[in-house]
Amino acid sequence: DAGITQSPRHKVTETGTPVTLRCHQTENHRYMYWYRQDPGHGLRLIHYSYGVKDTDKGEVSDGYSVSRSKTEDFLLTLESATSSQTSVYFCAISESPSGLNTEAFFGQGTRLTVV
Amino acid sequence: GNSVTQMEGPVTLSEEAFLTINCTYTATGYPSLFWYVQYPGEGLQLLLKATKADDKGSNKGFEATYRKETTSFHLEKGSVQVSDSAVYFCALNNFNKFYFGSGTKLNVKP
Repeated sequence: DAGITQSPRHKVTETGTPVTLRCHQTENHRYMYWYRQDPGHGLRLIHYSYGVKDTDKGEVSDGYSVSRSKTEDFLLTLESATSSQTSVYFCAISESPSGLNTEAFFGQGTRLTVV
Repeated sequence: GNSVTQMEGPVTLSEEAFLTINCTYTATGYPSLFWYVQYPGEGLQLLLKATKADDKGSNKGFEATYRKETTSFHLEKGSVQVSDSAVYFCALNNFNKFYFGSGTKLNVKP
């Protein structure tokens, strides 16, 4: 199994509070991603990173920010949590040897509830 | 643009039945295609992959063939087991961005 750890695994927070989710990898992969999973929507990309301090927005980035100061860590911050951000969040990593489109490996997920 | 469409679920089968889950995609260039499986409370696990046209990915009795002419990557298994009950996602990677279908839940009854 790929070395990906998400923390926390579960969190309940109040509306309006900031929340940070952490993804830590031990694989030294270049690419890291944050997805949210909601019933009926599959996985939707929030933000991704293609290197240290190199990040870009995904399709549902509003209300989220990310940072990647080290290869192994990718942080997702909900600046002011809302009930619509209640979801399961997944981190994924991938590498791209010789430009090939390789697979992604996923963490176990973080279940976030905003009350 | 890039997108993945897979059949709606849930799919309910009896043990030892034949499984097909349809997946079609839209993409520019030469994407890689994947099937992932998700068990309750867990992350997505790679089931199989194909990196170019006419490649067949296979694993644990599951197979899928990358058909560029029909832009499809249908998942098949000849004889399902109760333990195959899970949610299956079709996905593509194009220029290091992944696109997922909405998932198909499979229920296998003994």
